[in-house]
Amino acid sequence: QKEVEQNSGPLSVPEGAIASLNCTYSDRGSQSFFWYRQYSGKSPELIMSIYSNGDKEDGRFTAQLNKASQYVSLLIRDSQPSDSATYLCAVDDAGNNRKLIWGLGTSLAVNP
Amino acid sequence: NAGVMQNPRHLVRRRGQEARLRCSPMKGHSHVYWYRQLPEEGLKFMVYLQKENIIDESGMPKERFSAEFPKEGPSILRIQQVVRGDSAAYFCASSRTGGPEDTQYFGPGTRLTVL
Repeated sequence: QKEVEQNSGPLSVPEGAIASLNCTYSDRGSQSFFWYRQYSGKSPELIMSIYSNGDKEDGRFTAQLNKASQYVSLLIRDSQPSDSATYLCAVDDAGNNRKLIWGLGTSLAVNP
Repeated sequence: NAGVMQNPRHLVRRRGQEARLRCSPMKGHSHVYWYRQLPEEGLKFMVYLQKENIIDESGMPKERFSAEFPKEGPSILRIQQVVRGDSAAYFCASSRTGGPEDTQYFGPGTRLTVL
């Protein structure tokens, strides 16, 4: 069974620090990788997408992809209390209509 | 606002009643996905539809649940004879092409409570 795994957390970091969120996946054929943020009681919202090995930066967020290791990460620089949320990793299922396989999410708490 | 729309936002039903959840995708999007999220749990895929077609319903319970995406109008997730275990947040997402680099955008969700 294809899986996406994340540490459930909670991951606690002080304000201004770098938060590092990790995700591993089992489907070697996956080509698309997404990070979503979900605040409590709200719907998921897209933070970053990444399709090629290496780093992709967008403001305070950097996504890192290593297909050989089947690993994708999200770094949040200068963490703010407003970043406190659950971060969901999603990976496309190459063999199944390309629907997304979702991790259970990592809870991040940024302490002022 | 051209985002994904869902209604109602909150729905209360008694056991045995029917629940109908609606989703209007973003403008220009023809792919719709339904997810269920139980409290403190992850997103669970239910069904993937394109206009007038069910592409993948592998996540749908075999009984009581059905979904459609007609040529005109919103996508509908229908739950017949609801039970307390159906209480959850139901999210709809839409995408443009369904291709490997396509992004799913989520609606605000419908919170279903079964009394």
